[in-house]
Amino acid sequence: DVQMTQSPSTLSAFVGDRVTITCRASQGISTYVAWYQQHPGKAPKLLIYKASNLERGVPSRFSGSGFGTEFTLTISSLQPDDFATYWCQQYVIYPVTFGGGTKVEIK
Amino acid sequence: QVQLQESGPGLVKPSETLSLTCTVSGDSVNSDKSYWHWIRQPPGKGLEWIGYIFYSGNTTYNPSLMSRVTMSLDTSKNQFSLKMTSVTAADTAVYYCTRRLRIAARTFDSWGQGTLVTVSS
Repeated sequence: DVQMTQSPSTLSAFVGDRVTITCRASQGISTYVAWYQQHPGKAPKLLIYKASNLERGVPSRFSGSGFGTEFTLTISSLQPDDFATYWCQQYVIYPVTFGGGTKVEIK
Repeated sequence: QVQLQESGPGLVKPSETLSLTCTVSGDSVNSDKSYWHWIRQPPGKGLEWIGYIFYSGNTTYNPSLMSRVTMSLDTSKNQFSLKMTSVTAADTAVYYCTRRLRIAARTFDSWGQGTLVTVSS
């Protein structure tokens, strides 16, 4: 299985901050990475697919980048609704696997 | 717009079989354009992919669960289902049904709200 190592596990930030979350794959996965946002008690919501493609309806303050084994999700200016948990996911090969999650908290 | 809704018992006894159904609207489980997946999330923990079924009935399961999992389709009701045998407390989780379009670049773009299944006597 492809292991996805996500960091940090927790991140404290202010509204308006620029934040970056990193995901490292245990083997090269091209750009087959997605990022999800999850609020408590809710289903994950797709933000980014194919490493850098913004899902329809997702604000442009979210962006993704990376190739091979290193990937990042950046929120350019953190908004109150962005305090949530974020998950990376690889889908180049089954079983699909997810990172361990990053909880973004209010500082 | 695609909508998915999970249903099934919220409490299952250890060693018994967990059975869940996902009802789809806005897309067809009988279409060759989508794969239908199950993903679970133990309380306070991460996401685990369980498997998928295609309109043809072809399935792919997570090797870690393969021996206990079966998925099926009911095209007349536009539903797909999950059965997991011999459950233990470790199978307590929120179970989500999701869709993945049959486009290489795409992944899980539509999710059900999730249903909590607790394994307990």
